[in-house]
Amino acid sequence: NAGVTQTPKFQVLKTGQSMTLQCAQDMNHEYMSWYRQDPGMGLRLIHYSVGAGITDQGEVPNGYNVSRSTTEDFPLRLLSAAPSQTSVYFCASSFSYDRGGGYTFGSGTRLTVV
Amino acid sequence: ELKVEQNPLFLSMQEGKNYTIYCNYSTTSDRLYWYRQDPGKSLESLFVLLSNGAVKQEGRLMASLDTKARLSTLHITAAVHDLSATYFCAVVFLNRDDKIIFGKGTRLHILP
Repeated sequence: NAGVTQTPKFQVLKTGQSMTLQCAQDMNHEYMSWYRQDPGMGLRLIHYSVGAGITDQGEVPNGYNVSRSTTEDFPLRLLSAAPSQTSVYFCASSFSYDRGGGYTFGSGTRLTVV
Repeated sequence: ELKVEQNPLFLSMQEGKNYTIYCNYSTTSDRLYWYRQDPGKSLESLFVLLSNGAVKQEGRLMASLDTKARLSTLHITAAVHDLSATYFCAVVFLNRDDKIIFGKGTRLHILP
């Protein structure tokens, strides 16, 4: 049971490049989310999904796209990287809240945009 | 606006002392989580609070939820150095498309 797997762990991008952060879970969780963590800001919700085929915006969605074609995978796409997107990104998953689930977090992706 | 506010944001305390971290939120919810994060690591689930009046305890940590006051507390009893970490609360806003919003975290430093 791998839990929540994020790849890559580290990435350096040039301004304007695009990339996809991968997130996969093997726990059959309905709910998946992406957060970014910046010093002094806590974790801010980028996008989330309550099930396959359903996604919604969080607090800071601009510059990011997501899709949820399967229950297991929830990739985060940076369309045109900017230095302001330098951050640590966490993917998390859980059973839906009414099943009492708390989040399981991935190990994070440290992204630097130069 | 969905807001989750923790205080204090930074706490330095002596071993053996008791202290409480507070988590206030802006609108109706009866689902709240507490997490721990060590430096450079991911987040680890501590408590899941699912109803008004819920109280959960694990070792020297105890969490409670008062949905009427929109307040959760994380109480530390007789702190030990190993509890040094950053603690986050996260609130499930059930009437706002199920968004889960985190507080900014409380960085706890326990002095030996």
